[in-house]
Amino acid sequence: DAGVIQSPRHEVTEMGQEVTLRCKPISGHDYLFWYRQTMMRGLELLIYFNNNVPIDDSGMPEDRFSAKMPNASFSTLKIQPSEPRDSAVYFCASSLFQGPTQPQHFGDGTRLSIL
Amino acid sequence: KQEVTQIPAALSVPEGENLVLNCSFTDSAIYNLQWFRQDPGKGLTSLLLIQSSQREQTSGRLNASLDKSSGRSTLYIAASQPGDSATYLCAVRPQGGGADGLTFGKGTHLIIQP
Repeated sequence: DAGVIQSPRHEVTEMGQEVTLRCKPISGHDYLFWYRQTMMRGLELLIYFNNNVPIDDSGMPEDRFSAKMPNASFSTLKIQPSEPRDSAVYFCASSLFQGPTQPQHFGDGTRLSIL
Repeated sequence: KQEVTQIPAALSVPEGENLVLNCSFTDSAIYNLQWFRQDPGKGLTSLLLIQSSQREQTSGRLNASLDKSSGRSTLYIAASQPGDSATYLCAVRPQGGGADGLTFGKGTHLIIQP
């Protein structure tokens, strides 16, 4: 079974550039989550979607961050303009539905470095 | 605001030992608790999920317990092996509609010495 697929795996870019991270959830899953992992703060929820609709974006740090889910099989997280403090590993996760028995399944992440 | 703490932050033990990783959370109003494993440069692999109504879950050499009222969970690893070396993360999902993201601890970095 294909898991959650994220691209690119690594991204290095200069400050001020636009960055787009991509995620393909597991087929049939109707919840999609974006998390960010840093050494200082650990893993933090940025935003999540249910049936392609954003439900909670309170974790999005600034207006420079935006996320979309145009269909059930694709989501993007965009940073514009990027800053060095955005350097982190960004994870996408999906789950079938949010009953108490349903775990979240994570992709391998995108390691982002902003110079 | 929910806070999740994991102790110890790092642990190094010889192969074959049984060990316990600890997780505590400040708000007992949780829906479930998950233990994950993270290998370097990789994503998170779900190990065990305990519903709020459950006391423990077992998978192979792993056993996770949950005491919701005291805000504690433990992950017990029996007969540890070098392949168990990884970072172990605990995460809780809060109760209440619309709050479905997980809150994570910062993890326990485990090294099993051959």
